Amino acid sequence: DAGVTQSPTHLIKTRGQQVTLRCSPKSGHDTVSWYQQALGQGPQFIFQYYEEEERQRGNFPDRFSGHQFPNYSSELNVNALLLGDSALYLCASRGRANTEAFFGQGTRLTVV
Amino acid sequence: SQKIEQNSEALNIQEGKTATLTCNYTNYSPAYLQWYRQDPGRGPVFLLLIRENEKEKRKERLKVTFDTTLKQSLFHITASQPADSATYLCAPLAGSARQLTFGSGTQLTVLP
Repeated sequence: DAGVTQSPTHLIKTRGQQVTLRCSPKSGHDTVSWYQQALGQGPQFIFQYYEEEERQRGNFPDRFSGHQFPNYSSELNVNALLLGDSALYLCASRGRANTEAFFGQGTRLTVV
Repeated sequence: SQKIEQNSEALNIQEGKTATLTCNYTNYSPAYLQWYRQDPGRGPVFLLLIRENEKEKRKERLKVTFDTTLKQSLFHITASQPADSATYLCAPLAGSARQLTFGSGTQLTVLP
């Protein structure tokens, strides 16, 4: 079992650009959540996808959007990048019956 | 608003001693509380879940307590080892909530 996999692992973008991050959940998991983690802080919830729909959303602007595909994999899109978007972006998956979340290794996004 | 506070300072202890980490929450009535370990540049890894009707939970050298009156959870690592050095995150979870809300974490260093 590969667990949760994210790509890419590192990314450098210029302010104003757009970025897409990808996540494949752990086998058997159908719920995917995305988190943003700034240095020295805990992960902050961005949104959660289940059955290809956004089910819950944290306090993030509309520049952050996502998608879930029929195979449960997910994408996080961020438009009009700001310097403050530089962070570690984490994807977590879980099954419907479980509260335990399995995290990927994250994508380190640097906006310059 | 909901607030989660963990040990504000980094915690340094000597190998072999017991490390005790604190998680306090306000404006919350969590049904569960989870603890995660996070190594630098990696995603969090689930350690333990304790339910509101459980006072204490153990797993190997780990022990978690959950006091809903004090709105506090304590996380203990007995016979600590340098390999236990990491950041530890708590995440109280309401019964109906689907996303995790994390504290800022406590950085633990076990000195040889």
